[in-house]
Amino acid sequence: AQSVTQLDSQVPVFEEAPVELRCNYSSSVSVYLFWYVQYPNQGLQLLLKYLSGSTLVESINGFEAEFNKSQTSFHLRKPSVHISDTAEYFCAVSYNQGGKLIFGQGTELSVKP
Amino acid sequence: GAVVSQHPSWVICKSGTSVKIECRSLDFQATTMFWYRQFPKQSLMLMATSNEGSKATYEQGVEKDKFLINHASLTLSTLTVTSAHPEDSSFYICSARVQGTSGSEQYFGPGTRLTVT
Repeated sequence: AQSVTQLDSQVPVFEEAPVELRCNYSSSVSVYLFWYVQYPNQGLQLLLKYLSGSTLVESINGFEAEFNKSQTSFHLRKPSVHISDTAEYFCAVSYNQGGKLIFGQGTELSVKP
Repeated sequence: GAVVSQHPSWVICKSGTSVKIECRSLDFQATTMFWYRQFPKQSLMLMATSNEGSKATYEQGVEKDKFLINHASLTLSTLTVTSAHPEDSSFYICSARVQGTSGSEQYFGPGTRLTVT
């Protein structure tokens, strides 16, 4: 069975510092990987996804994630965070594109001035 | 991009009453929609998969008679929480699957916060 583990429930960081949000998954078959962001009292927005091809994927707002098959990881990174990046971040996996998503527990990123 | 709306955005109801939540795909048709619930400070848990014109598929542990799902058209799915109790208080989020040129993807609604008193 698939499962997703986000190792850090909360990550406090100062503005302009780098950040890494960790995500590990377990699956016996190939999966698709996603990172979603949720701002307070809002739904989820897709940040980036890995479907195939290059293992490094990037978002338009400076986040990137690298698919590491041997370590079954899909960590999210940003070299310099902003106050506006404060939100909850969810890692998710799916067997197929657009199919059922299994979410990790979420990581609360708190960026302080 | 694809837009999914939910109505209402929040609702307070008394214990024992029923509440209907709507999920609409505004600029595309969705044969498949998903319903999730999220407790405070927790992750999203899939409740059911809603397929247009057929019965919903419920996840293990979700009571289908309590959480009624109807997907009557290609742009609307509804979730009715019947005989609501305080433990049903949660944030309910829907998503709709859309087929794009690079494959299919889910787009999420803004969520509905249900409080049962």
